[in-house]
Amino acid sequence: SQKIEQNSEALNIQEGKTATLTCNYTNYSPAYLQWYRQDPGRGPVFLLLIRENEKEKRKERLKVTFDTTLKQSLFHITASQPADSATYLCALEDTGGFKTIFGAGTRLFVKA
Amino acid sequence: GAGVSQSPSNKVTEKGKDVELRCDPISGHTALYWYRQSLGQGLEFLIYFQGNSAPDKSGLPSDRFSAERTGGSVSTLTIQRTQQEDSAVYLCASSLDFNADTIYFGEGSWLTVV
Repeated sequence: SQKIEQNSEALNIQEGKTATLTCNYTNYSPAYLQWYRQDPGRGPVFLLLIRENEKEKRKERLKVTFDTTLKQSLFHITASQPADSATYLCALEDTGGFKTIFGAGTRLFVKA
Repeated sequence: GAGVSQSPSNKVTEKGKDVELRCDPISGHTALYWYRQSLGQGLEFLIYFQGNSAPDKSGLPSDRFSAERTGGSVSTLTIQRTQQEDSAVYLCASSLDFNADTIYFGEGSWLTVV
């Protein structure tokens, strides 16, 4: 069956370090993969999209990689700040292409 | 509007009552999605609209759940005879069309069934 897996345990890091979050998927062949940020009590907010023919994408302190052979995406936040503390959701298009399927998210805590 | 608007933001209802949740998507967005998020869980797809039609209703958990969209804009998600397991945040999202790369979420309607 199709599955998206993200680290269920929270990630705790020190301010200034690089946070790395993992997203693995099985039985999908998505044309693209997305990352969203969700703060408590708020809706998810789109951060980055990476297509299947792109190995890496950057936006300010964010970097996403996409390995279609490993069926894995890594999401990096460099020079992390306490304001980066949130839940980060991985998402990809369903096989039919009509809807976006989300992972359960990884909670990130950045300590000052 | 500037963003996806959902109402009510919070709703407490008694078990067995019907509830209606409303979503007003971003102006000009033809695709509209409903998701459900239980406490500490990921987003569960419920239904997708393209214009007024719903090509994909596969996520609706039971026949107590229904949704409609009129005028290609506002959508209403209705839950009949609510149960305690229906308690969750119901998130609406919209995008330019089903090919769009990005979907934009509202802040959600928090439903508590007591």
